[in-house]
Amino acid sequence: AQSVTQLDSQVPVFEEAPVELRCNYSSSVSVYLFWYVQYPNQGLQLLLKYLSGSTLVKGINGFEAEFNKSQTSFHLRKPSVHISDTAEYFCAVSEGYIPTFGRGTSLIVHP
Amino acid sequence: NAGVMQNPRHLVRRRGQEARLRCSPMKGHSHVYWYRQLPEEGLKFMVYLQKENIIDESGMPKERFSAEFPKEGPSILRIQQVVRGDSAAYFCASSSRDGEIYEQYFGPGTRLTVT
Repeated sequence: AQSVTQLDSQVPVFEEAPVELRCNYSSSVSVYLFWYVQYPNQGLQLLLKYLSGSTLVKGINGFEAEFNKSQTSFHLRKPSVHISDTAEYFCAVSEGYIPTFGRGTSLIVHP
Repeated sequence: NAGVMQNPRHLVRRRGQEARLRCSPMKGHSHVYWYRQLPEEGLKFMVYLQKENIIDESGMPKERFSAEFPKEGPSILRIQQVVRGDSAAYFCASSSRDGEIYEQYFGPGTRLTVT
């Protein structure tokens, strides 16, 4: 069975600082990995995905993530955050068509 | 190209009433997925449907919950005799091909409050 752990429930950061949101997963087979962003009162928007190939994945809004198979991690990074990046971020893993989501990390960007 | 539409966006029901949540997939999409998000939790898969078929309902509670996706019209998630624990955000997603989770597009959700 697959599971996802997002270690930080909340990450406060100042504007223009770098940020890393951590995600670890467990699965016995090959997986697809995703990061979604959810702005208040909105649905999920796909930030980026890892399906195969290069372990460094670039997404929208300047975000990127690195798949580390040995550490079973898929951490999300951005070198310089903006106030508008304040949102909930969800990591998800899938062995097939049913994804398992983490509990989410609330990114709070302060001016 | 309109995205996934859900209505109503907010729904308030008293305990014991029925809740009907609607989802219109993106144009050209024939696969619909329903998820539930409880406060401070991630999304939990509920059911996967194609037109007139339930493909996977392994995440649906055994009682009071049902889903359909008729040949014509939106997909409906129905909750009968709602209880306070049903209060949550319900999201619908759609895709164009069978089981392609990386091509799922999410709607804005329906926030159900049971009083």
